[in-house]
Amino acid sequence: DQQVKQNSPSLSVQEGRISILNCDYTNSMFDYFLWYKKYPAEGPTFLISISSIKDKNEDGRFTVFLNKSAKHLSLHIVPSQPGDSAVYFCAASARTGGSYIPTFGRGTSLIVHP
Amino acid sequence: DGGITQSPKYLFRKEGQNVTLSCEQNLNHDAMYWYRQDPGQGLRLIYYSQIVNDFQKGDIAEGYSVSREKKESFPLTVTSAQKNPTAFYLCASTIGGAASYGYTFGSGTRLTVV
Repeated sequence: DQQVKQNSPSLSVQEGRISILNCDYTNSMFDYFLWYKKYPAEGPTFLISISSIKDKNEDGRFTVFLNKSAKHLSLHIVPSQPGDSAVYFCAASARTGGSYIPTFGRGTSLIVHP
Repeated sequence: DGGITQSPKYLFRKEGQNVTLSCEQNLNHDAMYWYRQDPGQGLRLIYYSQIVNDFQKGDIAEGYSVSREKKESFPLTVTSAQKNPTAFYLCASTIGGAASYGYTFGSGTRLTVV
């Protein structure tokens, strides 16, 4: 059973517009959420994170929103650029034995058209 | 520059052979992890290690083995017991117990059974 779900396998957006990537989770013990960006044949790179005590975190063009009651988070990219084209993974973690071990979603492939 | 080095980038294995994937980090991170990525799947945790000489099974540990004799090294052996080993393998590390820093990933090893 998937605890972290990214229901949209792909998303296509025009350059300059907003990209919104969504993620749902089922485990109420998750208290930290992260987004990773991945290019083909490379390892993911950490993008932005949010703690469960917040509902918004912003870093430049990237903003993550967390709705705990709905168990939903989203990543907004404004404005979208062609270089943002990649697979984006949502991850959620809970403290287990002194460490945080994230559970990853299946990813959403974002394509930004010039 | 600090980072994680995975080698080799591409690896071919014959049926019935064991192979070992290398992962080395010079970030002085306490915790190291191995993930497997299959097409259309998220990152699934194979094994993780929070300190030297200690490691824990992840969600899909069957057919794999690891060792953590040094802080900077966490090799993964794919044994002949792993029925479907063809996949993209990612190694990651993080400061132990800290959710906010996220993971640093290596660039991955693509293993193909021939």
